[in-house]
Amino acid sequence: GAVVSQHPSWVICKSGTSVKIECRSLDFQATTMFWYRQFPKQSLMLMATSNEGSKATYEQGVEKDKFLINHASLTLSTLTVTSAHPEDSSFYICSARGVGSGAEAFFGQGTRLTVV
Amino acid sequence: GDSVTQMEGPVTLSEEAFLTINCTYTATGYPSLFWYVQYPGEGLQLLLKATKADDKGSNKGFEATYRKETTSFHLEKGSVQVSDSAVYFCALRSISSSASKIIFGSGTRLSIRP
Repeated sequence: GAVVSQHPSWVICKSGTSVKIECRSLDFQATTMFWYRQFPKQSLMLMATSNEGSKATYEQGVEKDKFLINHASLTLSTLTVTSAHPEDSSFYICSARGVGSGAEAFFGQGTRLTVV
Repeated sequence: GDSVTQMEGPVTLSEEAFLTINCTYTATGYPSLFWYVQYPGEGLQLLLKATKADDKGSNKGFEATYRKETTSFHLEKGSVQVSDSAVYFCALRSISSSASKIIFGSGTRLSIRP
């Protein structure tokens, strides 16, 4: 299957700083990317959906000013956690889908964020 | 709204045992259904899928049949291996959203004893 790469795979940051997570589709053009958050031993919760070149659509309860999403090209989306706090510590996973409503979504390997 | 309910874990089995992980869904219309697997420290991998009623998805010895009448998509494997230890997520792709977002169940942790 297609490859989606996330970077970094883990990051530790201090409270109050911002962290950027990258999601790249390596061998296909991703018209839509999804960002999920996974708490320990829990399921994935969709945070937002982004289409290339347009603003992201955030799920209810997700602060758009805190979780900035940019999808500037067909192979790259970024999630920036601004002014991170310990409660933002989590596993963040991106998913990328190609052209067509029936296209399969492929997942990145995830980024573990720890805010100290 | 659309949702997925799956069997709570953890599930612990001996090698070569038969596996069933139950999954039911609530959705409008005919969503596509998926099983994803997450190995320790890794992201999700698609295990199998079914896109319409009565379809059977299969991969690596795992199977699941799309049952519209019972709104279910139970995962089965006849003989599990230690390497099958992972977390399994049932999911659906909603057709009610233009973005076709995927909605996940809570996940079931499977541990296989040698």
